[in-house]
Amino acid sequence: DSGVTQTPKHLITATGQRVTLRCSPRSGDLSVYWYQQSLDQGLQFLIQYYNGEERAKGNILERFSAQQFPDLHSELNLSSLELGDSALYFCASSGGGSGGAKNIQYFGAGTRLSVL
Amino acid sequence: DAKTTQPTSMDCAEGRAANLPCNHSTISGNEYVYWYRQIHSQGPQYIIHGLKNNETNEMASLIITEDRKSSTLILPHATLRDTAVYYCIVRVGDNYGQNFVFGPGTRLSVLP
Repeated sequence: DSGVTQTPKHLITATGQRVTLRCSPRSGDLSVYWYQQSLDQGLQFLIQYYNGEERAKGNILERFSAQQFPDLHSELNLSSLELGDSALYFCASSGGGSGGAKNIQYFGAGTRLSVL
Repeated sequence: DAKTTQPTSMDCAEGRAANLPCNHSTISGNEYVYWYRQIHSQGPQYIIHGLKNNETNEMASLIITEDRKSSTLILPHATLRDTAVYYCIVRVGDNYGQNFVFGPGTRLSVLP
């Protein structure tokens, strides 16, 4: 158990809809990361938040947005969903330790999104 | 783009050591190398990390060459449960904002 909790585990929705994925980081971790993994793309970095502030951005679509709340949990919002958005979405957190250990990302079990 | 290159796949006999190589020739002097694995569609699992010295923990050993341009992850006694995709990663970014770039990794098959 990594200590990172993602909900829901599975989500089935229709094209055009909007969904929210939730992530609770490990206790004490200030950074949260979101990744997308689809069958043909591998793991793709979407966005990083640190203590509520956006710090790094990957190839995140404009239809996607994220935020990190004062209690450090994060939400990834996906709107105007398309068939191609079907994927596994992983959240990771980091922040404890020193040196290289503070950048270790601990991943949640993921949310499997199916857009029909 | 991933800053590392790894073989696409490898096989290993159960009980034998699995040695997974990784090239990271553009790594900067203060960047760590991180190893993760992903079993089926589970979340990536942290294995080990290192800077320039060899490292060992309960899961694996990490051997980093003196020039730091390559490293090898060693699973000393591979079991069937070690069958997974293994990723060698160098962090992208700085202390302000950063992320991991996952390449295709090495698909390790441990055979009975």
